[in-house]
Amino acid sequence: DAGITQSPRHKVTETGTPVTLRCHQTENHRYMYWYRQDPGHGLRLIHYSYGVKDTDKGEVSDGYSVSRSKTEDFLLTLESATSSQTSVYFCAILAPSGAGGEQYFGPGTRLTVT
Amino acid sequence: GQQVMQIPQYQHVQEGEDFTTYCNSSTTLSNIQWYKQRPGGHPVFLIQLVKSGEVKKQKRLTFQFGEAKKNSSLHITATQTTDVGTYFCAGSYNQGGKLIFGQGTELSVKP
Repeated sequence: DAGITQSPRHKVTETGTPVTLRCHQTENHRYMYWYRQDPGHGLRLIHYSYGVKDTDKGEVSDGYSVSRSKTEDFLLTLESATSSQTSVYFCAILAPSGAGGEQYFGPGTRLTVT
Repeated sequence: GQQVMQIPQYQHVQEGEDFTTYCNSSTTLSNIQWYKQRPGGHPVFLIQLVKSGEVKKQKRLTFQFGEAKKNSSLHITATQTTDVGTYFCAGSYNQGGKLIFGQGTELSVKP
């Protein structure tokens, strides 16, 4: 599945603790994305990256930060987790093609903040 | 801001019936993509439509892109239990490959 892995796959954490989710790709793609998925909201973009050290905000970036120090790794950090950040988090990469490109998704991380 | 609305949110059909989900954007899209997510899985790319009025078929699935490039539909003929899942449209406005996803249509198929 396009060589994308996410870790951890499941995590339970307490309110106020920092959490870092990792996305790793083996395909050397330039663009990477972090989404969260909640019932009734589809997939919402948190942050994305268009190269090493190049990142930008998505539509729901408050409370999240990202870093990309290597092409293959894109980290999502919740500085101080809140219950509203309980969600399923998906990482994706962009495989360019034609006029746009297809996004390939990782398996997801289910995060529960208690 | 840019929004992609998708309806219906849920659709329950008897096996063999047809199914359609619709997407509408508030502004003109660069292209639109469709993804399928099986229960417990991750979204999987199905197709990308780029041209105004474009129609593409994949076996029993027919995808259309409106003339104004603001709406799209996915039609499944004679549904099967393997079609179960949530179908998402995702609009691109040509901003770094960013996609705006619709809310998804969850399809259930009764055998």
